[in-house]
Amino acid sequence: DTEVTQTPKHLVMGMTNKKSLKCEQHMGHRAMYWYKQKAKKPPELMFVYSYEKLSINESVPSRFSPECPNSSLLNLHLHALQPEDSALYLCASSQVYSTSGSYEQFFGPGTRLTVL
Amino acid sequence: KNQVEQSPQSLIILEGKNCTLQCNYTVSPFSNLRWYKQDTGRGPVSLTIMTFSENTKSNGRYTATLDADTKQSSLHITASQLSDSASYICVVSASGGSYIPTFGRGTSLIVHP
Repeated sequence: DTEVTQTPKHLVMGMTNKKSLKCEQHMGHRAMYWYKQKAKKPPELMFVYSYEKLSINESVPSRFSPECPNSSLLNLHLHALQPEDSALYLCASSQVYSTSGSYEQFFGPGTRLTVL
Repeated sequence: KNQVEQSPQSLIILEGKNCTLQCNYTVSPFSNLRWYKQDTGRGPVSLTIMTFSENTKSNGRYTATLDADTKQSSLHITASQLSDSASYICVVSASGGSYIPTFGRGTSLIVHP
C-alpha cells in the first residue's frame, strides 16, 4: 500500500464550528506532514511529526491543532477558523524525517476546506 | 533567503509537442531538487529527484536536468499527452538544520488536443 488517504474530501464549516481532518498511511513511514495550499500557490508547510512527536510548527495559529495518535494516523483539529483559512489541506508522509530532505514525501489527495 | 523561481508561469501546447519548464533556485547548501506533478485538486506526485552529482534523470517521457553551478533545473516533457495537463512544482531542499523544503510557485501546463 503506497497511498496516503485523507478524509473528508471536502469540508464546509462555520467560524464557530469544531472539525477535524484525518490522514492515514500504512507504508510504515515515521514522518508525517501537514501543508496548506491556496489556489495557484505552492503548498506551505504547517507541521512536521517525527516518530509521533511534533518536530516543526511553522508558527501556525493555535486555531489549528495537530495530533498524531499513532504512527499511521495524523489529525488536524480545527476551531474558530477564519474565512481566509479556506484552502486545500494536504497531508504527506516520508520514511523518516531527514534534515537533508532526501526522503520522498508521498502526498494525500487533500481536503478542500471552506470556512463561511 | 532560500528561493525557487519557476518559469513560465503557465504554458499551453498542442498534444504531441514537446516542452521545457525551468526552475532557478538560491537554496543553500543544496541537498536535492524534486519535480512534482500536481493535478487540479489532488496532492503532488514526485516525478524525479536529483542530487548534486546528477545532471540528468528520466522518468518515462519526463527528463529532468540539473546544473548545480548555475543553480538551474529543467523538466522536459516529450510527446505531450492530454493527461500531462497539470501544475509542475520544483521543490529544493537544503542540507543540515531543520528540513523545510522550498517550493516554487509551479508552472501550469495545459495540453490541447
